[in-house]
Amino acid sequence: DAEITQSPRHKITETGRQVTLACHQTWNHNNMFWYRQDLGHGLRLIHYSYGVQDTNKGEVSDGYSVSRSNTEDLPLTLESAASSQTSVYFCASRQGANTGELFFGEGSRLTVL
Amino acid sequence: GENVEQHPSTLSVQEGDSAVIKCTYSDSASNYFPWYKQELGKRPQLIIDIRSNVGEKKDQRIAVTLNKTAKHFSLHITETQPEDSAVYFCAASQSAGKSTFGDGTTLTVKP
Repeated sequence: DAEITQSPRHKITETGRQVTLACHQTWNHNNMFWYRQDLGHGLRLIHYSYGVQDTNKGEVSDGYSVSRSNTEDLPLTLESAASSQTSVYFCASRQGANTGELFFGEGSRLTVL
Repeated sequence: GENVEQHPSTLSVQEGDSAVIKCTYSDSASNYFPWYKQELGKRPQLIIDIRSNVGEKKDQRIAVTLNKTAKHFSLHITETQPEDSAVYFCAASQSAGKSTFGDGTTLTVKP
C-alpha cells in the first residue's frame, strides 16, 4: 500500500548539532509539507513544496531548510539545533490541485538538550 | 496570510450528548475547510471536509457547517461516544495550497 513514512521517529540531540528528518511518500503526490506540533499551538507550517525543485517558507521557517530533488522525498534539516526546536514534527502530502485531504506521517519527536 | 481561530480549547461532554467546535478564518479566498482528528500519540486524520460552494455536509454522526459571509465553520458531533475523545483540528486553505490550522480542541467524552 502507498504510504508516507518519517524517520527517525524519536531523536535526542544537542544544541548546535545539525539534524535531518526524513519524509518519504509513495503516492507520487506533488505537494508536501512539514509542520511542527507544540502544546497549545496546533500545527504550524515550517516549509512546503509543490513539486520537484520547488520549496517555500511557512510561518515558522527560521532555523529550518528543505530540499526537493525528487517527488517522493522532502527532508527537513535543522542547521544548528536549538532547545526551542524541541517538538513533534509531522510531514504531510496531498496530490495537488482540487484535492484537499492531507495525509500525515506518524511524526518525529525531536528533543534538543 | 490566513489566520484560523478555534474554540473552545477543551470540551468535556457526557456520552450521548452533542459536541460543537467552532472556527473562524480571515482570508476570504480560502475555499477548503477540513477537520482532522488526532488520537493520543497518533497522526492527524481527516474526518470530514467542506468546500465553499456547500453550506453543510453530514457523515453519520458528524457534520460540518460553513458560513462564508461570517467566515466561520463548525464541527458537530452527535451521540458522542468515548472513542470520540481526541484532539480535533480545523483548517483552512485555498484548494490544494498550504493549510492553516487552528490550535485544536481537546474533546473528552465521559462514559
